[in-house]
Amino acid sequence: AQSVSQHNHHVILSEAASLELGCNYSYGGTVNLFWYVQYPGQHLQLLLKYFSGDPLVKGIKGFEAEFIKSKFSFNLRKPSVQWSDTAEYFCAVSLYSSASKIIFGSGTRLSIRP
Amino acid sequence: GAVVSQHPSRVICKSGTSVKIECRSLDFQATTMFWYRQFPKKSLMLMATSNEGSKATYEQGVEKDKFLINHASLTLSTLTVTSAHPEDSSFYICSAGGPVGVDEQFFGPGTRLTVL
Repeated sequence: AQSVSQHNHHVILSEAASLELGCNYSYGGTVNLFWYVQYPGQHLQLLLKYFSGDPLVKGIKGFEAEFIKSKFSFNLRKPSVQWSDTAEYFCAVSLYSSASKIIFGSGTRLSIRP
Repeated sequence: GAVVSQHPSRVICKSGTSVKIECRSLDFQATTMFWYRQFPKKSLMLMATSNEGSKATYEQGVEKDKFLINHASLTLSTLTVTSAHPEDSSFYICSAGGPVGVDEQFFGPGTRLTVL
């Protein structure tokens, strides 16, 4: 069965620090990969997605992620975080298309110190 | 962009009653919708996949008689929590497969259910 692992449960950074959140998945076939963000009190929003092509994907708000197939990883990065990036971040996997169910990782809570 | 709404946003009910939650795709048709449950400070757990005009597919461990799902049209799926108990209190989120040509799921804002 598919599964998604996020190793960092809670990350605390100062503003302007660089961010990298780890994500690994287990599935041998073709997958679609996502990072979602959930700001306090708000609903889930898509940060970025990878379906195919360039493994380095750029998303909104300065986030990017790199798909490394050999490592089954899809780590999220941002060179310089802001206080407004405080949120819960979820890595997710689906098969094939938008009609496929999405399996979420356990989430990483990011706290940014002003 | 594609918008998914949920109604109600919050509901409080007594133990033993049933609660219906609606999920609507407002500006597109969704053949497939998904229902998730999110516990406080936890991830989203997929409960079931709802397909228009057919029976929902439930994930392992989810009681289909407890959580009734109906997807009667291409823009509406409903989740009914039957004979609710306090342990059913949670945040329920739906998503819809995107419109034709948009390969993405769109999430609703969620419904906070509190069972007293």
